[in-house]
Amino acid sequence: EVQLVESGGVVVQPGGSLRLSCAASGFTFDDYAMHWVRQAPGKGLEWVSLISWDGGSTYYADSVKGRFTISRDNSKNSLYLQMNSLRAEDTALYYCAKDKSSGWFNWYFDLWGRGTLVTVSS
Amino acid sequence: DIVMTQSPDSLAVSLGERATINCKSSQSVLYSSNNKNYLAWYQQKPGQPPKLLIYWASTRESGVPDRFSGSGSGTDFTLTISSLQAEDVAVYYCQQYYSTPRLTFGPGTKVDIK
Repeated sequence: EVQLVESGGVVVQPGGSLRLSCAASGFTFDDYAMHWVRQAPGKGLEWVSLISWDGGSTYYADSVKGRFTISRDNSKNSLYLQMNSLRAEDTALYYCAKDKSSGWFNWYFDLWGRGTLVTVSS
Repeated sequence: DIVMTQSPDSLAVSLGERATINCKSSQSVLYSSNNKNYLAWYQQKPGQPPKLLIYWASTRESGVPDRFSGSGSGTDFTLTISSLQAEDVAVYYCQQYYSTPRLTFGPGTKVDIK
């Protein structure tokens, strides 16, 4: 089955760190760029980060640049998001999402996980 | 950043009737070199992740029912559900991918049954 499954979301204090994971299955993971997209409770969607199929290129939203790091381990079909210096405004459901086409950056998403909830609160 | 706006914020449509959602970008998302509009539409049902419906403004994703259609160019776009079904109750988002990596989404339009 083609799917993405996120994990790692917890309650963390402001200024804390957290690492999210996304396990991919059912498709050739290392052919596709991957993204993180987040959704604050009851709010809309915000793109967070992209990583190329080989991990050689990464991009970030201004709101997380310098604090978050995206990475991947193609041998484990896994995507990660290291989140440092967390703020209350980072509270959201974090989705892992697959870029539409292989070997290219389409910048839109044809497969989403169900998300993992990160709550930043003291 | 390109700002995406949607109208209306919400709408209620009778089963079998047409639903129309508008999306407007603060600048054109039409790339002149390939004449493509860098605009996608997603559907998010309650408690579920978003689902890709339309890309390049009018190309339906595989498996999406043909009652969903996208149109428009430049800065003004429309998602139309030609005959609303109960399973179409959801929030619909537009997204521009013209200005990368500064991707932006619209605020969403909630569709309910009247």
